[in-house]
Amino acid sequence: AQSVTQLGSHVSVSEGALVLLRCNYSSSVPPYLFWYVQYPNQGLQLLLKYTSAATLVKGINGFEAEFKKSETSFHLTKPSAHMSDAAEYFCAVTYGGSQGNLIFGKGTKLSVKP
Amino acid sequence: DVKVTQSSRYLVKRTGEKVFLECVQDMDHENMFWYRQDPGLGLRLIYFSYDVKMKEKGDIPEGYSVSREKKERFSLILESASTNQTSMYLCASRPPGQWEGNQPQHFGDGTRLSIL
Repeated sequence: AQSVTQLGSHVSVSEGALVLLRCNYSSSVPPYLFWYVQYPNQGLQLLLKYTSAATLVKGINGFEAEFKKSETSFHLTKPSAHMSDAAEYFCAVTYGGSQGNLIFGKGTKLSVKP
Repeated sequence: DVKVTQSSRYLVKRTGEKVFLECVQDMDHENMFWYRQDPGLGLRLIYFSYDVKMKEKGDIPEGYSVSREKKERFSLILESASTNQTSMYLCASRPPGQWEGNQPQHFGDGTRLSIL
């Protein structure tokens, strides 16, 4: 079965440091990939999506992600962390089709230290 | 902007009660989804619906049912609530399109349900 792995359930960075959240998917079939963010007591908000156009995808709030087929990865980065980036981040994959259900990773909680 | 509204943010119910969680979307989306979210487990799909009166089981349907009588409304039903159904429940909808798989899902703010 297809799966999504997010390395590290918790990541802590200092304000101004690089943010790197890792996501790997399991299939050799190119998927559609998404990153979502969840702030405390809220639902999920779409950060960015990859749908087989450019491999480097820019999202909201200064985040971007690069699709690397050879590594089956879609890591999320931000050059300089801000306190407001503290949240939980979910990587999700779908293989399209009429239903195209999402398969979610288990999430990575990002803490930002002042 | 798409608006997905879940009727309650917090809900406390007793074991054995029948519980209804309501979700409404305002963008005429065909596809709607119910997930539960638990720490360390991420989001798990309970049920989804791709049209009125249509429903499909997700990964963890046991103990749940759903109802989709109108396009904009998708209800999750706990037939006889149990303590292991204490969780955060998230509803989502997705727009239609030729390549539906690449359309993102839009989420409500969630219902935090406690079963005592």
